[in-house]
Amino acid sequence: SQQGEEDPQALSIQEGENATMNCSYKTSINNLQWYRQNSGRGLVHLILIRSNEREKHSGRLRVTLDTSKKSSSLLITASRAADTASYFCATDNSGSSNTGKLIFGQGTTLQVKP
Amino acid sequence: KAGVTQTPRYLIKTRGQQVTLSCSPISGHRSVSWYQQTPGQGLQFLFEYFSETQRNKGNFPGRFSGRQFSNSRSEMNVSTLELGDSALYLCASSSPYGGARTDTQYFGPGTRLTVL
Repeated sequence: SQQGEEDPQALSIQEGENATMNCSYKTSINNLQWYRQNSGRGLVHLILIRSNEREKHSGRLRVTLDTSKKSSSLLITASRAADTASYFCATDNSGSSNTGKLIFGQGTTLQVKP
Repeated sequence: KAGVTQTPRYLIKTRGQQVTLSCSPISGHRSVSWYQQTPGQGLQFLFEYFSETQRNKGNFPGRFSGRQFSNSRSEMNVSTLELGDSALYLCASSSPYGGARTDTQYFGPGTRLTVL
């Protein structure tokens, strides 16, 4: 079963606008990661935020993490048509018996119109 | 460094057959995880290997198995294929360190399996 729930499921915006996607999860985590997937291809890692971090930036990406609310958000600023893809959050609640396992949300499909 | 590679990229099989998928991790990575992606269930963890040992396994039937070789390359096998096994199978490599924490996983392009 999926741990993460993402909101919205689909998002359509114009080029240049900002896109915000939210992710909620259920259990304690070590870190939370965001991935992008273009049309049924492999996942591309975007950013990792650890449980003791609250905000992280990478280029046009900004990720926040609120462990008290068990939620995260991904903001893409000044979006481009090339940002059109599905975005997934994935959590790691690894312990010694749970290594190598990421639990993914259902994803947000982002369409950026030129 | 070369990324994660998976072969074959596409595969068509019929019910009852078996299939073997291959994954070569990023050089130096010793952990390989496998995931199944379907429209209905999303991305689900299959298993993880580190240093030729399966350390973790998801909730899949015993028809799904895997192994890892001394060079960290991994294979997964699905026996007695069912229609519901049609999916994109993704492998990911990470971490040369093998700690309990799962760090960034780098994914391959996937193998698209169609079962007829």
